[in-house]
This record gives sequence, structure tokens and C-alpha cells, in this order.
Amino acid sequence: SAVISQKPSRDICQRGTSLTIQCQVDSQVTMMFWYRQQPGQSLTLIATANQGSEATYESGFVIDKFPISRPNLTFSTLTVSNMSPEDSSIYLCSVAGLAGGWDTQYFGPGTRLTVL
Amino acid sequence: SQQGEEDPQALSIQEGENATMNCSYKTSINNLQWYRQNSGRGLVHLILIRSNEREKHSGRLRVTLDTSKKSSSLLITASRAADTASYFCATHKTDTGNQFYFGTGTSLTVIP
Repeated sequence: SAVISQKPSRDICQRGTSLTIQCQVDSQVTMMFWYRQQPGQSLTLIATANQGSEATYESGFVIDKFPISRPNLTFSTLTVSNMSPEDSSIYLCSVAGLAGGWDTQYFGPGTRLTVL
Repeated sequence: SQQGEEDPQALSIQEGENATMNCSYKTSINNLQWYRQNSGRGLVHLILIRSNEREKHSGRLRVTLDTSKKSSSLLITASRAADTASYFCATHKTDTGNQFYFGTGTSLTVIP
């Protein structure tokens, strides 16, 4: 498995501001993903963070709202831009392609975001 | 949406009883996985079953897969209070990229 950390663990932000969430992995991984989990709900994939190229976004998510960086194989950031209360969620990063193979994802602890 | 459906949404049982959760999905898959999420935490991978497998065991966990019905079940035997968590199934397919789709989740409460 891998040790995956996220910063910040939680934040309370004002409407209209932006927040950048960091995801750090203790080993090199090929695939990194960003998910959103609204209160009491399941996970929704936002995008796949690709190293050296633009992220691949799922339907309903756009780069202007959720810009993603992936400068190397151990680190990625997700920015939630121009926030509104509807963006209040837990944001999770995950990785795949470790010893468990491409099939298994390992998750960070999540970032709990509250937008006022 | 390609998201799976799980039932029940919530399940409450006594310690020592068995807990069964079901997952249905919509598309063909390479494999199906079950994850656990403790309150306010990230997800932990529990078990994976491939599309050519019908049943798999890991400790107190038993997973079945019926690809003809596009459904899976997770059985936790001899439940413990520490099993209290939300459980999610996730389907994995690779024919259009490496895609994971999570079910709606079952909230399990095990009463000591």
C-alpha cells in the first residue's frame, strides 16, 4: 500500500474564494484521481490527474472550476475555484498502480470543505 | 449515470450477527471491489473480485458476483462493533480508460 496525505484536512471558506488541496504520496504512482463526496453521499469522480499533461475531467466538471496540477509522480493539487456553498464536500485523492496493481485504489484521508 | 446502487441504504444489527449488503451496476466490468469508510475518513480497500470469479473470501468477508444479473453481495460474518462504517462497492472497467464507479453505499451499524 501507500501512505497518502492531504492538506488541509479541513477548511471553512467564504463564498467566491478559492482553495487549493494538496495530495502527497510516499511512492511514485502512475494514476491519481480526485473525487468529491457530498455529505452522506457516494463518491463522484472529478478527474484523473495525468503527470505531464492536462487532467481528464468527468462529465459535469470543468478545468476552470477545478484546475488540477500534477507536476510529478508523487504530488497533485486540486483547486476549487470561485466557491459557493454547493461546493461544500469532502474532497478525496486516490492512487492506483501500486503493488496491488491497477485494480486497487488507495485513498487519502480527505479534505472536508465548508463554504459559507 | 454509471454509478451503482446499493441496498440496503442503512443496516443495523447486533454484534455477532451476519451483515449482507448488495450492489447492482449497469455496465460490463473488469472487476468489482468493496471499500469501507469510517466516519470522516478516507476509504479502505477490502476485497476485489474479478469478472470471471463468482465468489471470494477474505477473513470474515465473503463476496459474490453475478455478472449475468450485474450484481454483487458482501457478507460480513460474526460482526463486531468495529465493523460499524459505510461500505461502498466500486466497479472497475478499463476498455475506455481506467475508470472506477462507486455505488451509493450502505451504512452499517453494529450494536455491541
